Amino acid sequence: EADIYQTPRYLVIGTGKKITLECSQTMGHDKMYWYQQDPGMELHLIHYSYGVNSTEKGDLSSESTVSRIRTEHFPLTLESARPSHTSQYLCASSESPGGYTFGSGTRLTVV
Amino acid sequence: AQTVTQSQPEMSVQEAETVTLSCTYDTSENNYYLFWYKQPPSRQMILVIRQEAYKQQNATENRFSVNFQKAAKSFSLKISDSQLGDTAMYFCAFMKLFQGAQKLVFGQGTRLTINP
Repeated sequence: EADIYQTPRYLVIGTGKKITLECSQTMGHDKMYWYQQDPGMELHLIHYSYGVNSTEKGDLSSESTVSRIRTEHFPLTLESARPSHTSQYLCASSESPGGYTFGSGTRLTVV
Repeated sequence: AQTVTQSQPEMSVQEAETVTLSCTYDTSENNYYLFWYKQPPSRQMILVIRQEAYKQQNATENRFSVNFQKAAKSFSLKISDSQLGDTAMYFCAFMKLFQGAQKLVFGQGTRLTINP
């Protein structure tokens, strides 16, 4: 079944650790996105990609980085996690302007 | 820059009632898409309904329908015969087509509770 997968679902990690949030989709979509969803539930675009080897910064500044080496894979990395990075991170993909398909999200807590 | 405003942070209705969620947006574009997404507690965000701005006819999807007023930049969602499973956060979103990007701009969300 075509879908988009995010791992881990929940992550609690100490300050200063390096982390990678995984996102994979099986639909062959060229465009992929990372959104940060704060405790107030509002979503902000932090990264997006048009396709392989393409990455762009989103509307909200983020200390995270992304890579797009394969069409299906769009991981997000934090080199040194801080408590201010505590949030929910949603990955999505799209093909046509029909809308996005979202993953289930990763809820990150940095202690 | 486009902005999307949902003025109702929370709403609560009884099962089987009809509820309308409000959304307004600001843009200078003429061609764009509007969406309503649903995010149930601790579950995946899913698309509820989509509206293309060039279409005058309001979109409908079973119990879900929209009232799209382009001149007023208003895009409300009506849920008829509400069910307990409709309890969720609802996000209104705007999509502009720009140089291949399809970036969604979200409103603040409305937390809808359907009571038995």
